[in-house]
Amino acid sequence: AQSVTQPDIHITVSEGASLELRCNYSYGATPYLFWYVQSPGQGLQLLLKYFSGDTLVQGIKGFEAEFKRSQSSFNLRKPSVHWSDAAEYFCAVLDFGNEKLTFGTGTRLTIIP
Amino acid sequence: NAGVTQTPKFQVLKTGQSMTLQCAQDMNHNSMYWYRQDPGMGLRLIYYSASEGTTDKGEVPNGYNVSRLNKREFSLRLESAAPSQTSVYFCASSPSGGARQETQYFGPGTRLLVL
Repeated sequence: AQSVTQPDIHITVSEGASLELRCNYSYGATPYLFWYVQSPGQGLQLLLKYFSGDTLVQGIKGFEAEFKRSQSSFNLRKPSVHWSDAAEYFCAVLDFGNEKLTFGTGTRLTIIP
Repeated sequence: NAGVTQTPKFQVLKTGQSMTLQCAQDMNHNSMYWYRQDPGMGLRLIYYSASEGTTDKGEVPNGYNVSRLNKREFSLRLESAAPSQTSVYFCASSPSGGARQETQYFGPGTRLLVL
């Protein structure tokens, strides 16, 4: 069965600093990978997704993620964070067989002035 | 176009009570899902429906039942609520049960407290 690991439960960065959120996956074939963001009290919004092709994926709100097969990773990055980026971020992998998403446990991002 | 809507937004139940969480989508999606979100656990799939008239168990189905009333609506029922079912429940939908590149769209969630 597939799995997703987000090793950082909570990250704090200063506004304007760069950001990298880690995601490692376990899946037997080429994965379909997603990053979602959840603002406080809200549902989940898709940031970006990787299916195939270019391993550097651009998403909304200035986020990007890089798929690295050799490291089984799909890390999320942003060059300069804004206070509005404070949220919880979830990485997920799609299982081809049953088309179900498996989520990581999430990383909570705090932005300090 | 409201996307995915859920009712109620918040509910308090006593142990043993029953209730139904409602979900509707107006995007003509075939697949619909129910998740629960608990601290430190991420989102876990309870049930899903690949198309109207079909439902299947997810990772944590015990204590729940679902009904795909029509293409738009997918309800989640707790027949006898337990404190362990205190959680935030999210409904989601995706365009096609057969596609490989589908994206799931999430509702705003229902916060359930079982006393």
